[in-house]
Amino acid sequence: EVQLLESGGGLVQPGGSLRLSCEASGFTFSSYAMTWVRQAPGKGLEWVSGISSSGSYTFYADSVKGRFTISRDNSKSTLHLQLNSLRAEDTAVYYCAKIGYNNGHKSYYFDYWGQGTLVTVSS
Amino acid sequence: QSALTQPPSASGSPGQSVTISCTGTSSDVGGYDYVSWYQQYPGKAPKLMIYEVNRRPSGVPDRFSGSKSGNTASLTVSGLQAEDEADYYCSSYAGSNAYSVFGTGTKVTVL
Repeated sequence: EVQLLESGGGLVQPGGSLRLSCEASGFTFSSYAMTWVRQAPGKGLEWVSGISSSGSYTFYADSVKGRFTISRDNSKSTLHLQLNSLRAEDTAVYYCAKIGYNNGHKSYYFDYWGQGTLVTVSS
Repeated sequence: QSALTQPPSASGSPGQSVTISCTGTSSDVGGYDYVSWYQQYPGKAPKLMIYEVNRRPSGVPDRFSGSKSGNTASLTVSGLQAEDEADYYCSSYAGSNAYSVFGTGTKVTVL
């Protein structure tokens, strides 16, 4: 059974930093691209960042580029998101999600999601 | 990258059908067959319902179907049931620079 378990959320002051983690199990983590998606309170889903299976390629939404860094440790089946220079508008539930593949090719859908971790940026 | 446009709400009586649109551009929805749809209940993580425009993951009822024409994708829920009342989001691949974009979301109400 595929499981994704996020951790690391919490309350942080504007300008502060936080590191989110997502522990994966139930699949060969090193074979799949992964992504982070966030949802502000009462708002819709927003794609935040993605990373290739090897970690060699990373992608960011314009809203977080230069402030957030995605990384992965395939030896520990863990995905990370480093959040720096946090702003009030970064307040959201952050979900990690596995990228879906079809016939061995990345198909850019999110087939498994974690339960999310809440990040609150406030003074 | 701008969010894809969905109607804020849609509704139908049990047994009826409801269709949700998802409008993008030629750089996302119109340019790739990588449109997916997600169902989300309040306080819960999203669940994949449709991928690659019209493919259903195992376990998703065949009452859910997807299609695409030009820059607009659609999700149709046939034979509405009370359990279908939820928020629905579309998503599309948006190219190597933008990667992925979500729709604005649609709240489906079963009357």
